[in-house]
Amino acid sequence: NAGVMQNPRHLVRRRGQEARLRCSPMKGHSHVYWYRQLPEEGLKFMVYLQKENIIDESGMPKERFSAEFPKEGPSILRIQQVVRGDSAAYFCASSPLRGYAGELFFGEGSRLTVL
Amino acid sequence: QQQVKQSPQSLIVQKGGISIINCAYENTAFDYFPWYQQFPGKGPALLIAIRPDVSEKKEGRFTISFNKSAKQFSLHIMDSQPGDSATYFCAASLFGSGGSNYKLTFGKGTLLTVNP
Repeated sequence: NAGVMQNPRHLVRRRGQEARLRCSPMKGHSHVYWYRQLPEEGLKFMVYLQKENIIDESGMPKERFSAEFPKEGPSILRIQQVVRGDSAAYFCASSPLRGYAGELFFGEGSRLTVL
Repeated sequence: QQQVKQSPQSLIVQKGGISIINCAYENTAFDYFPWYQQFPGKGPALLIAIRPDVSEKKEGRFTISFNKSAKQFSLHIMDSQPGDSATYFCAASLFGSGGSNYKLTFGKGTLLTVNP
């Protein structure tokens, strides 16, 4: 499968636990973006990363959330001490160039449920 | 503050009919307006997009109409098919040189159901 790969597809955590979501971009893509979709809402931008660099994190909550895209391996979105309001679908997208004429290639998402 | 307002929230159309989804935006700096299609359990996929230098763009059965002065744009699906049943999201971003064209502002989505 040459598409954006996200795992896990479904994750259940209890309040206070940590959630780690992984994203492998499409082959040849070096730009990764994370979006969050709350119930009944559209997707909202969280963060834009290139290998080893956070380019734009203006959509990331100030606390408990962090993201990385190491030189080797997938991009990881980490949520510490999860709360019920973190329950959402988290989508990763990638592109071969910055923004790539506006087309972002999305993965199938990771659905986080916080009990 | 919701910068892109989308309507209707849901839409039911008979096979062969025309589906129309509308969006309005607030930020006059937006200059790229894509529509994404999302099937259940899948990620959004780009369907069609328009820049404000044209008023209409057509790709097959899908047409975007754009009204810059009204700050509105719409998606028309002609000859709607059951396979078109999905959630449709409009979005907007800053496309120009140095702009944040990766930072899409999405509408809340429209669930389209096309009955056979």
